[in-house]
Amino acid sequence: ILNVEQSPQSLHVQEGDSTNFTCSFPSSNFYALHWYRWETAKSPEALFVMTLNGDEKKKGRISATLNTKEGYSYLYIKGSQPEDSATYLCAPNTGGFKTIFGAGTRLFVKA
Amino acid sequence: GAVVSQHPSRVICKSGTSVKIECRSLDFQATTMFWYRQFPKQSLMLMATSNEGSKATYEQGVEKDKFLINHASLTLSTLTVTSAHPEDSSFYICSAPDRQGLRDNSPLHFGNGTRLTVT
Repeated sequence: ILNVEQSPQSLHVQEGDSTNFTCSFPSSNFYALHWYRWETAKSPEALFVMTLNGDEKKKGRISATLNTKEGYSYLYIKGSQPEDSATYLCAPNTGGFKTIFGAGTRLFVKA
Repeated sequence: GAVVSQHPSRVICKSGTSVKIECRSLDFQATTMFWYRQFPKQSLMLMATSNEGSKATYEQGVEKDKFLINHASLTLSTLTVTSAHPEDSSFYICSAPDRQGLRDNSPLHFGNGTRLTVT
């Protein structure tokens, strides 16, 4: 069973601040890692799928990096906006469709 | 983009009754759907994998007679919580990879979830 750790559990920042959070996972049998954004009262929405060690993906002000050898991924948000407030979930999988989710980092961006 | 519709979004029922939760893929065919349960401040825990036209695969510790899953078509999977008890109160959510993305690293499309409260 994969043990996925996300930190911090929650984060409060001011509008305009840049922030980052971490997803740690066992590095053995790694296949892919997904990041999802989950806004309140909505469904989780896919942000990135990362597969290769050293991968870096970017979508607007949000980017993510992946280190499969040491088993971690960072998610960065540059110039946070109130609309970035959400829970960010990471979900590695070891092949097959079965993804294991972390508990998420809940981000609050204050205007 | 691909949409998964889940309902009801919220249900309150009495102990001993059964509750059915539906997930529909609206604009794609889902041969596989996943059902999760989430307790407060915890991660999404996979309960079972629903397969169209065949039996669901349950995760260890999940009672298949308690959580009945039916996936009768390529667009509909249902989860029935039978003889619900207060400890079944939780947030249940489904997801599906779209059929276009049968590769293992395709992202999942989620429903909005169902908040079940058993009194």
